[in-house]
Amino acid sequence: EIVLTQSPGTLSLSPGERATLSCRASQSVSSSYLAWYQQKPGQAPRLLIYGASSRATGIPDRFSGSGSGTDFTLTISRLEPEDFAVYYCQQYGSSNTFGQGTKLEIK
Amino acid sequence: QLQLQESGPGLVKPSETLSLTCTVSGGSISSSSYYWGWIRQPPGKGLEWIGSIYYSGSTYYNPSLKSRVTISVDTSKNQFSLKLSSVTAADTAVYYCARHQIIVVVPAAMSGTFDPWGQGTLVTVSS
Repeated sequence: EIVLTQSPGTLSLSPGERATLSCRASQSVSSSYLAWYQQKPGQAPRLLIYGASSRATGIPDRFSGSGSGTDFTLTISRLEPEDFAVYYCQQYGSSNTFGQGTKLEIK
Repeated sequence: QLQLQESGPGLVKPSETLSLTCTVSGGSISSSSYYWGWIRQPPGKGLEWIGSIYYSGSTYYNPSLKSRVTISVDTSKNQFSLKLSSVTAADTAVYYCARHQIIVVVPAAMSGTFDPWGQGTLVTVSS
């Protein structure tokens, strides 16, 4: 099973700042089958990024994904108040596993 | 717009079977492009894929839960269901259903992204 480790566990930033979230896999993720989800309190996760770098329908372009192999990054270029949430990565190259999440909180 | 809605008991006794149903609206569960999946999230913790089913009845399960999980589909009602047997307190979680995009299908596994998700339902295992 591919284990995903997200860092940091909590990221404290202010609106307008740039956020960089990391997801590291225990082995290479084939074909960059890596997705990112956003989850707000009391809500279901929402797909943001698939294929490591493709934005899902309706996702603002301030969200971008990059990486390959074992190291992946989600970048939010300029934080809006509604972006403060928990973010999960998921690999789907070998079954389906999720990272433990990064909480993005307002500083 | 495709919507999914979970339903079922919110409280299950230890050693009994958890049963949930997901009703799909705004689209057909018989689409050839998708599986339909269950994911759970223990309170304050991360996400765990439970398993997924195709409209034909083909299923894939998380190996860690496989011995206790059964997922079935009823295309006439546009629903799919989850049964998890011999539950313990560790099975207390919010259970989500979601459309599971087919990316990889091999004899032993199926994988893809989940979108959209139902709102989730909390199931507590307690006597």
